[in-house]
Amino acid sequence: DVKVTQSSRYLVKRTGEKVFLECVQDMDHENMFWYRQDPGLGLRLIYFSYDVKMKEKGDIPEGYSVSREKKERFSLILESASTNQTSMYLCASRWGVPGELFFGEGSRLTVL
Amino acid sequence: AQSVTQPDIHITVSEGASLELRCNYSYGATPYLFWYVQSPGQGLQLLLKYFSGDTLVQGIKGFEAEFKRSQSSFNLRKPSVHWSDAAEYFCAVANTGTASKLTFGTGTRLQVTL
Repeated sequence: DVKVTQSSRYLVKRTGEKVFLECVQDMDHENMFWYRQDPGLGLRLIYFSYDVKMKEKGDIPEGYSVSREKKERFSLILESASTNQTSMYLCASRWGVPGELFFGEGSRLTVL
Repeated sequence: AQSVTQPDIHITVSEGASLELRCNYSYGATPYLFWYVQSPGQGLQLLLKYFSGDTLVQGIKGFEAEFKRSQSSFNLRKPSVHWSDAAEYFCAVANTGTASKLTFGTGTRLQVTL
């Protein structure tokens, strides 16, 4: 089975802190994604990567950056966390187009 | 840019009744279409997908969906709902091409009454 692991299930950070959310997949997938999920808004794409060191902005990239130095790992970075970034963050991976996405269990971030 | 509309935020059905969840998409060509389900406290699981070919697709847990190009729709159906189907359902559309991204709708929460 494909496994997508998000390192932290729950995080509490303070405004202005730098936050790293880590995601690792174990199936040699080419593509990886970061979404945030908010009630009533569904899942919104922040960034995605279709190859190592490649990244593309999604629909809401402002305030976020990403890093993909190795194929299996895709990190989401909040350079200076703000309260409006309090949300559930979901990582996903995919072998290639047009395959299905496999999701991690999510990281719930609270910014105080 | 592609988009997805799920017009129903919340639906309640009785156990054993039939179900239809609506999904409309916007995309210039034939898209890739998906339905995902998210149970409380769980991640998202793929129910079914459409890439090409037969416009009626079968998925897991007895779900099916029909792609209607003329209506830009991809509605999800189940003939008889079980209490365990209570969850949130997301329709998604992906553009074709190498840098294909998946855009989700806002979701429909299904409640099942016994």
